[in-house]
Amino acid sequence: DVKVTQSSRYLVKRTGEKVFLECVQDMDHENMFWYRQDPGLGLRLIYFSYDVKMKEKGDIPEGYSVSREKKERFSLILESASTNQTSMYLCATRPFSYEQYFGPGTRLTVT
Amino acid sequence: GDSVTQMEGPVTLSEEAFLTINCTYTATGYPSLFWYVQYPGEGLQLLLKATKADDKGSNKGFEATYRKETTSFHLEKGSVQVSDSAVYFCALSDMNRDDKIIFGKGTRLHILP
Repeated sequence: DVKVTQSSRYLVKRTGEKVFLECVQDMDHENMFWYRQDPGLGLRLIYFSYDVKMKEKGDIPEGYSVSREKKERFSLILESASTNQTSMYLCATRPFSYEQYFGPGTRLTVT
Repeated sequence: GDSVTQMEGPVTLSEEAFLTINCTYTATGYPSLFWYVQYPGEGLQLLLKATKADDKGSNKGFEATYRKETTSFHLEKGSVQVSDSAVYFCALSDMNRDDKIIFGKGTRLHILP
């Protein structure tokens, strides 16, 4: 079974803090994704990566950056957290042209 | 661009009722279609998929048929259980274009005992 793990299930940070969300997969998949999920808005793609050191902007990249130094690890960075970044963050991985596999999510609260 | 529209929730049913969650899509190519389920406190997991017209995906008593003529992929289950309470997402992906997965906004399902 594919395993996608995220560094925290729940996280509380203060406004202005730098926040790191980490995602690790164990199946050598090329593609990795970061989404945020908000009530009434569904899933929105923040960033994705097709390979090590490669990254592409999704639909809502503002206020976020990403890092992929190793194939199995994809990090989402909030340079200066704001209250409107309070959300559920979901990481996903995907071998080319197949379905996505999701991690359990990180519920981030910014106060 | 490609898009997915699914019925808004929440949908509330009694146990053993028949379930339909409607999903329609817009795509210029020939996408694969998916249903994902998200149980409370968890990430999304694939429920079923269909890769071409007239294919039927099925899993855990759920079914959906890829209807190209009506651009639909409705999710059905003959007799729901309390444990089916979750959020259901319809999605599409077209490997001949940019291969991204496009999700609907999700439908929350409540099953009453």
